[in-house]
Amino acid sequence: AQKVTQAQTEISVVEKEDVTLDCVYETRDTTYYLFWYKQPPSGELVFLIRRNSFDEQNEISGRYSWNFQKSTSSFNFTITASQVVDSAVYFCALSETITGNQFYFGTGTSLTVIP
Amino acid sequence: EPEVTQTPSHQVTQMGQEVILRCVPISNHLYFYWYRQILGQKVEFLVSFYNNEISEKSEIFDDQFSVERPDGSNFTLKIRSTKLEDSAMYFCASSGGGGRWETQYFGPGTRLLVL
Repeated sequence: AQKVTQAQTEISVVEKEDVTLDCVYETRDTTYYLFWYKQPPSGELVFLIRRNSFDEQNEISGRYSWNFQKSTSSFNFTITASQVVDSAVYFCALSETITGNQFYFGTGTSLTVIP
Repeated sequence: EPEVTQTPSHQVTQMGQEVILRCVPISNHLYFYWYRQILGQKVEFLVSFYNNEISEKSEIFDDQFSVERPDGSNFTLKIRSTKLEDSAMYFCASSGGGGRWETQYFGPGTRLLVL
């Protein structure tokens, strides 16, 4: 079973539109961490955010915001006023206590921002 | 800002050949990881390394794979006899002393092509 599900395979938006990328996770752990990484066309993985399971406060960083809802096991990522440079594949990842140090990645959402 | 580096950026090899992928983790980090990403697919965990030994490994990390920290700075992944299905992007990552609680910072990847 997938521990991290990113149901949106590809999304296209027009520049300046807002877009939300969904992430649903599955864990039996009570203590865990969630992450978002960005993979631009150049291929590297860029860390965006880490959130622990005890902190459900939403976070905003510039045009980026994250909505963590334990009740629905979701950790969604919103880009406000999207720009062409936001075009990338975005991965959500989970780190659990019970399964050690590895990250479980979702399958990624490919975002294309059209100028 | 400290970063993880990987060499080479691209490697082409013949099936059956041995390859060594090199990584220099962030200098004060204690946990080291290898992940792979087959083209267009999600990032998959291979192995984690701490205190000069493997701490976890996935099913993918079979006897063909080995890791080593030959000196105080490098972390290598060796594939003894490459197969076509080993073609992928290989990412090295490192994290601080908190292990699973720490953000893993990824290198730019080595794209391996096995012919």
